[in-house]
Amino acid sequence: QVQLQESGPGLVKPSETLSLTCTVSGGSISSSSYYWGWIRQPPGKGLEWIGNIYYSGTTFYNPSLKSRVAISVDTSKNQFSLRLSSVTAADTAVYYCAGRTAVTPNWFDPWGQGTLVTVSS
Amino acid sequence: AIQMTQSPSSLSASVGDRVTITCRASQGIRNDLGWYQQKPGKAPKVLIYGASSLQSGVPSRFSGSGSGTDFTLTISSLQPEDFATYYCLQDYNYPLTFGQGTKVEIK
Repeated sequence: QVQLQESGPGLVKPSETLSLTCTVSGGSISSSSYYWGWIRQPPGKGLEWIGNIYYSGTTFYNPSLKSRVAISVDTSKNQFSLRLSSVTAADTAVYYCAGRTAVTPNWFDPWGQGTLVTVSS
Repeated sequence: AIQMTQSPSSLSASVGDRVTITCRASQGIRNDLGWYQQKPGKAPKVLIYGASSLQSGVPSRFSGSGSGTDFTLTISSLQPEDFATYYCLQDYNYPLTFGQGTKVEIK
């Protein structure tokens, strides 16, 4: 059974770059069955899709973040990563990584447990 | 981007009640819609995909319907473990967009 686990700093200073990694276990990140995605949730608020990546490197980003976001995949480590540059307090959120089925119908499953990233000096 | 308007934003209900949550898309999305349940401090969990298909392991009291722009999640008989926040998600096209969420609380 595929499981995901986020890791990375819980505190990032304003204007710096947020970097998170999601480790995939119980399966291969190179599986053609999944896209790998990031979703975030500010405290007390709703969910926002950040972007997806396929194991080949094909990416899709939310236009609201596109100029600041980059998602990459490292197949040798069975990991994919999120980088969000020039962060502000508005980027404070719980960040989830998730697998999304690659073939319609689509859904997100599994999910990581989430990691809180606070942007503060 | 497709906007997903979910209603109500919150509701109070009793155990055993029938609960209905709706989601409206700003343009047609065929049946490319999922419903997710989120409990406090936990990651969301998929309940319904393809507007009406029940995810494996999800109780049959959950059902989804709709196509095009109007969708519904129904809980036929609310159970104590169903008190949570529910989100719809359109995956018809990018950017993927969630509804604002519906918090189901105990009356």
